[in-house]
Amino acid sequence: RKEVEQDPGPFNVPEGATVAFNCTYSNSASQSFFWYRQDCRKEPKLLMSVYSSGNEDGRFTAQLNRASQYISLLIRDSKLSDSATYLCVVIPGSGTYKYIFGTGTRLKVLA
Amino acid sequence: SQTIHQWPATLVQPVGSPLSLECTVEGTSNPNLYWYRQAAGRGLQLLFYSVGIGQISSEVPQNLSASRPQDRQFILSSKKLLLSDSGFYLCAWTRASLNEKLFFGSGTQLSVL
Repeated sequence: RKEVEQDPGPFNVPEGATVAFNCTYSNSASQSFFWYRQDCRKEPKLLMSVYSSGNEDGRFTAQLNRASQYISLLIRDSKLSDSATYLCVVIPGSGTYKYIFGTGTRLKVLA
Repeated sequence: SQTIHQWPATLVQPVGSPLSLECTVEGTSNPNLYWYRQAAGRGLQLLFYSVGIGQISSEVPQNLSASRPQDRQFILSSKKLLLSDSGFYLCAWTRASLNEKLFFGSGTQLSVL
């Protein structure tokens, strides 16, 4: 089983739609979680950290489910500019400096 | 503010040639430094990370090596490139503590022909 798994997509959604991605992780001792956004041939950029109680940043909501070992990202009112690949990142355990990336989920927002 | 510089942006190298990619961070001290590789259409693979000068952790056995000769400098090298070394190489840094946010350089697109 991979350490971090994501549905590769693509998710094709119309403008204004709500879309959600999940990401599962295998190490139950994982400590920290993040969502990154990557545009084609560019470096990944931090979208948001994921906190235990869930957190929101504008149209974006991130949640953590430790019991089922997954994190989620919800995007409301999708914009054309949200089209990108969304990468889930996990620090797999305590006391480690490793950051493990999922393979990413492609989102295409259609006009 | 902190910035990370990575160069060159693109590189075309013949099979069997050497490689040296450099990454430097400004505006912080004692950062943790990382090298990732992304093959075409694939996810990011952690290659090396370093928590201090001369301290290198290798994640994937391969013909690549990394060095950290100075606090804010991280170098990725190869003595002889393989076709399979082609990809998008990304340097990244975090503050020197656990669970920090990871910030990336702009990447080097390496094509081995």
